[in-house]
Amino acid sequence: GAGVSQSPSNKVTEKGKDVELRCDPISGHTALYWYRQSLGQGLEFLIYFQGNSAPDKSGLPSDRFSAERTGGSVSTLTIQRTQQEDSAVYLCASSLVPSPLNTGDATDTQYFGPGTRLTVL
Amino acid sequence: AQSVTQLGSHVSVSEGALVLLRCNYSSSVPPYLFWYVQYPNQGLQLLLKYTSAATLVKGINGFEAEFKKSETSFHLTKPSAHMSDAAEYFCAVILSGTYKYTFGTGTRLKVLA
Repeated sequence: GAGVSQSPSNKVTEKGKDVELRCDPISGHTALYWYRQSLGQGLEFLIYFQGNSAPDKSGLPSDRFSAERTGGSVSTLTIQRTQQEDSAVYLCASSLVPSPLNTGDATDTQYFGPGTRLTVL
Repeated sequence: AQSVTQLGSHVSVSEGALVLLRCNYSSSVPPYLFWYVQYPNQGLQLLLKYTSAATLVKGINGFEAEFKKSETSFHLTKPSAHMSDAAEYFCAVILSGTYKYTFGTGTRLKVLA
């Protein structure tokens, strides 16, 4: 497809279960980002992947959260032993070029997917 | 560290009226500034961005924003609201050479018939 896709669109799980969220970035985009959008709050940066470089995991809220990006394309965000406070919309974004090439040009604009709404009961 | 403040979590305007959504930023260096729109059950879509060129930036759907360094503001405006403008709007800042957006908490725009 032409845009960033995410699956599932909605996920309801029970507290303590593990969940996996998937992101397919725009073809050819080297940079991939995960954000979390909680009710009444802005978007919170979670993790950033760029090519084969080590990811920036500085935004992950706890060690229950992990993410990987296979083959420089698809990414999976995994949340282990989910808690109710993990309930949020998880957004993925991709961009053609990454930092430090951010020039404000159209090529480094981050394009967002529709998100996965996670509800932990 | 940079931050973004959006005044007013909810704004209501009548159809045809001026839309004004406020965004103030805090940054130690000149940032890049963005406005994104999020329609229900959709991802964020870029409306416009400021990248240190012209201070008045025009975006899609008739929106524009003006960067005012003296006021550290980047307010979003549209002369005449349309029903289809009802959505949530996010202001964001990013420093040149970095990749981490800092987002505001969003403003939900309601357009009244």
